[in-house]
Amino acid sequence: NAGVTQTPKFRVLKTGQSMTLLCAQDMNHEYMYWYRQDPGMGLRLIHYSVGEGTTAKGEVPDGYNVSRLKKQNFLLGLESAAPSQTSVYFCASSLIPGRTRASPLHFGNGTRLTVT
Amino acid sequence: GQQLNQSPQSMFIQEGEDVSMNCTSSSIFNTWLWYKQDPGEGPVLLIALYKAGELTSNGRLTAQFGITRKDSFLNISASIPSDVGIYFCAGQPDNYGQNFVFGPGTRLSVLP
Repeated sequence: NAGVTQTPKFRVLKTGQSMTLLCAQDMNHEYMYWYRQDPGMGLRLIHYSVGEGTTAKGEVPDGYNVSRLKKQNFLLGLESAAPSQTSVYFCASSLIPGRTRASPLHFGNGTRLTVT
Repeated sequence: GQQLNQSPQSMFIQEGEDVSMNCTSSSIFNTWLWYKQDPGEGPVLLIALYKAGELTSNGRLTAQFGITRKDSFLNISASIPSDVGIYFCAGQPDNYGQNFVFGPGTRLSVLP
């Protein structure tokens, strides 16, 4: 099993350009997430999905859109990139949480995005 | 919003030494997770904790869920060079859900 796979690994955009990051998981997980990682800060949740066809906003959703058309894929879009979106983006997936305990997140290897 | 603090921010140790780091919060959490991140890779789950007072080991790693539910600790015994990396804690504050809060990480360097 590959686990969580992210493409591309690196990308450089000019301000105003758009792009889509792809995340694929082969663990049959219901939940998927997009996080961004910035120096000195903890991972921050951008958007998440609790199942195929559903999406929801996280802590820092502005400037991003997502889609979950298939259970195994979760796409993150930037419609008009800004320098503040320079970051490392991580996709994660998990099982549905239990009644009394959360399910650990399984992460991909990240996409390093630079917006100039 | 809720925040997690990790201490120390970074540490340099000699190979073979034991390591202790912690994660603290001003509010209660119901799940604690510890992750390790190597350069250029994603975080990898080390240990998951679900009950106050719980002590769980994974090889040379041992983590504890603090009794107050506001902290968690990670110990690494007999460190080796491949322990180098950033260690993150993550807490889940709700009775039900996946609303994880991540700490800023502890960067560990192991000197030969």
